[in-house]
Amino acid sequence: DIQMTQSPSTLSASVGDRVTITCRASQSISNWLAWYQQKPGKAPKLLIYKASSLEGGVPSRFSGSGSGTEFTLTISSLQPADFATYYCQQYDSYSWTFGQGTKVEIK
Amino acid sequence: EVQLVESGGGVVHPGGSLRLSCAASGFTFDDYTMHWVRQAPGKGLEWVSLISWDGGSTYYADSVRGRFTISRDNSKNSLYLQMDSLRTEDTAFYYCTKWEDAFGIWGQGTLVTVSS
Repeated sequence: DIQMTQSPSTLSASVGDRVTITCRASQSISNWLAWYQQKPGKAPKLLIYKASSLEGGVPSRFSGSGSGTEFTLTISSLQPADFATYYCQQYDSYSWTFGQGTKVEIK
Repeated sequence: EVQLVESGGGVVHPGGSLRLSCAASGFTFDDYTMHWVRQAPGKGLEWVSLISWDGGSTYYADSVRGRFTISRDNSKNSLYLQMDSLRTEDTAFYYCTKWEDAFGIWGQGTLVTVSS
């Protein structure tokens, strides 16, 4: 199975900061990478699909990049609503796995 | 409005069974592959199972294969997860989710607690 490794596990940042989260796949997954935001007590929310496509309704301060094994999620200017946990997720050959999550906390 | 609503969670003893349901609305249910994803309290997300649009193909995570069975009834716009031989490590929120290049729509989740 393909393993997904996110870094960092926790990130402390201030409103207005530029934030980058990295996700590495144990083998190439082309661009089959998605990013989700989850707030406490809520279901995950899709932000980015196919590595860099922004889901409808998601603010443009969120962006994704990468292909193969290295991917990043960038929040260009962190807003109060963005403090949450973020997960990457890959799809390859009927296998779906998530990263362990990155918690974005208020500094 | 596109919506998924899970039900059927609860408390069950180890070795017991439970059947989860997911009611879909607001989209053409039988156009889509559907999945179950779970999350143990305070932990990360784990993919559990998928079923093709017509129910003809199913896949399972190694951790549940042989114990869980996914099914669907397109006439009722419903997805199911039959969970047998439950273990304490199956304790989690269970989400149904619709696949279209990613998990774009999620239900609110239903909590399954396996405890003696």
